[in-house]
Amino acid sequence: DQQVKQNSPSLSVQEGRISILNCDYTNSMFDYFLWYKKYPAEGPTFLISISSIKDKNEDGRFTVFLNKSAKHLSLHIVPSQPGDSAVYFCAASLSTSGTYKYIFGTGTRLKVLA
Amino acid sequence: NAGVTQTPKFQVLKTGQSMTLQCAQDMNHNSMYWYRQDPGMGLRLIYYSASEGTTDKGEVPNGYNVSRLNKREFSLRLESAAPSQTSVYFCASWGGGYGYTFGSGTRLTVV
Repeated sequence: DQQVKQNSPSLSVQEGRISILNCDYTNSMFDYFLWYKKYPAEGPTFLISISSIKDKNEDGRFTVFLNKSAKHLSLHIVPSQPGDSAVYFCAASLSTSGTYKYIFGTGTRLKVLA
Repeated sequence: NAGVTQTPKFQVLKTGQSMTLQCAQDMNHNSMYWYRQDPGMGLRLIYYSASEGTTDKGEVPNGYNVSRLNKREFSLRLESAAPSQTSVYFCASWGGGYGYTFGSGTRLTVV
C-alpha cells in the first residue's frame, strides 16, 4: 500500500503562472514533510520542507502547505519558470531508530511551457 | 566537492551474476540509505543505516544485502541479480537538518 501518493503523474503550466503539485498521505504519525526536485540523470535535490506543527512554509517562489486533517500537502510555485521543469517528489518521514526514514511519493513531472 | 559519490554510474548484468554498488559520503553524516527508483513507483527504500555499525531493512529489502563499512561508506550487494532488479539506485546520507543528500544514481540493467 502506498503511504504517500501523488495522483497526478504530470502537469503542464505556462511560464509565469502558478504550478500546484499535490500529495496525499495515509499515516497520521508522519512528522516531517519534504519536496524534492529531480532532473534527468541526476539525484533528487532538496527543495523545501515543513514540520507537522506548521501549516505553511515559504521560500522564495516556493510555498508548501500542509493540511493535517485532510492528510494533504501541496507545493505552489509562483511564478513558474522553464527551469522548474523536472520531476517533483513529496516525502514524509517518521523518526525511527535515531534517524529519519523518508517515504516518497511516485512523483509528478512538471513541464513549464515558455 | 562535498557530497555523495556512487559507483558505477551504469552497469549491465546477466541474470544470476552478483555485484556491489558503492556509495561514499564526505559530509560526516551518520545516516545513509539506499533507494531504488522505478517508473510509476517513486523512490522506495531498500536498506538504511542510522549510524556506523547498524543496518535496517526498508520497504523492499529482498534480494539485497548491505554493509556499512565505516562512517563514510555504505555498499549495496546483489548476490544473484534478477531482471526485477533492473532499476536506478540512489544512495543518500543525512546528518541532521533538512532532508537527504542524494548521489547521482547507478543505472542497473539485468538481462
